Amino acid sequence: GENVEQHPSTLSVQEGDSAVIKCTYSDSASNYFPWYKQELGKRPQLIIDIRSNVGEKKDQRIAVTLNKTAKHFSLHITETQPEDSAVYFCAARGSGYSTLTFGKGTMLLVSP
Amino acid sequence: DGGITQSPKYLFRKEGQNVTLSCEQNLNHDAMYWYRQDPGQGLRLIYYSQIVNDFQKGDIAEGYSVSREKKESFPLTVTSAQKNPTAFYLCASSQGVTTNTGELFFGEGSRLTVL
Repeated sequence: GENVEQHPSTLSVQEGDSAVIKCTYSDSASNYFPWYKQELGKRPQLIIDIRSNVGEKKDQRIAVTLNKTAKHFSLHITETQPEDSAVYFCAARGSGYSTLTFGKGTMLLVSP
Repeated sequence: DGGITQSPKYLFRKEGQNVTLSCEQNLNHDAMYWYRQDPGQGLRLIYYSQIVNDFQKGDIAEGYSVSREKKESFPLTVTSAQKNPTAFYLCASSQGVTTNTGELFFGEGSRLTVL
């Protein structure tokens, strides 16, 4: 089955800096890669996703890049703000119908 | 207010007891899921259901059981066979296998503590 590795497990940045979280996946047939944000005590929510026919996708201060050859994808957050502090999960889903496999999460702390 | 409702939010159980966690959705989604969340372990899939009266085991199904008698409901029973049941449990739903969107909509979770 699919295996998703996520790094780093914790990330501390100063407000205004950029943050990058990286994930690798094992199944070359995977074609959908979402990122979820979970604020403390709240439910995970989708913040951005990318499909295998696209190399990069942006939404305001967040962007995701995908390298299918290397089987890795990354979340980029620019101009970080304290409200970006949360746990971020990457995930991957194979072709056909299969469920999402999640990484173990990255705790991002943005200090004012 | 559309969404997914989980209950109870907090639950305490004695060893050897079964407990059932409720999950109800009014999003008209076909697929529903149960995940377990432990610190540093991410979200691990317990069971999922693509359609009423059908469900499949996820990666960590041992010691758990589910039913899907109605589209809106997907209860999870944590049985006494589950060796380490203390955890945070998340229910989710998605539109299903025939749509392109893969977005999962999560409930607020149920925290189970075994005493």
